[in-house]
Amino acid sequence: DAGVTQSPTHLIKTRGQQVTLRCSPKSGHDTVSWYQQALGQGPQFIFQYYEEEERQRGNFPDRFSGHQFPNYSSELNVNALLLGDSALYLCASSLAGDIPGNTIYFGEGSWLTVV
Amino acid sequence: AQSVTQLDSHVSVSEGTPVLLRCNYSSSYSPSLFWYVQHPNKGLQLLLKYTSAATLVKGINGFEAEFKKSETSFHLTKPSAHMSDAAEYFCVVSDRFSGGYNKLIFGAGTRLAVHP
Repeated sequence: DAGVTQSPTHLIKTRGQQVTLRCSPKSGHDTVSWYQQALGQGPQFIFQYYEEEERQRGNFPDRFSGHQFPNYSSELNVNALLLGDSALYLCASSLAGDIPGNTIYFGEGSWLTVV
Repeated sequence: AQSVTQLDSHVSVSEGTPVLLRCNYSSSYSPSLFWYVQHPNKGLQLLLKYTSAATLVKGINGFEAEFKKSETSFHLTKPSAHMSDAAEYFCVVSDRFSGGYNKLIFGAGTRLAVHP
């Protein structure tokens, strides 16, 4: 059973460019969340997708957008890249349902460097 | 609003000695609490979780944590450290009213170093 898979693992972009990161959730999971982890910090919630819609969003600008496909996979898009967007981007998958202790699984992340 | 404070940014122990990583949380409702571990260049792995059942929670690799509501703490312990325990550890909280149980709030992390 494959866990959460993300691609690419590493990439380098130039300021002002756009980037797309991809995620396939754990088999059977229908909810995908994205987190940004800057160097030396804990991950921060960007947004969450369920049934192909953004269900909730953290404190990130509109430059950050996403999409969920019918097979539950997801993309994270960041436009007009800034140096401060350099971070590890983590995808997390879970089952829908507001259940205490709902186990959330993480991928290994995509390292984005903006130069 | 939820928040998590990890009281030590770095902890250094000798192999074979006990590990204590401290965490305090703030939550307006019955929280779910987790500890995740992140090894270098790896994703996050769940060590253990608390969901209002037993207050002493046992996890993988010999780790355990105790939920103390009166102290709003959820400290992580292990009786004897191994070299392989060297990693970054995150205390995490979620609750019904702060985005739901599918939204995790992370602490800043504690880097654990284990010396021979």
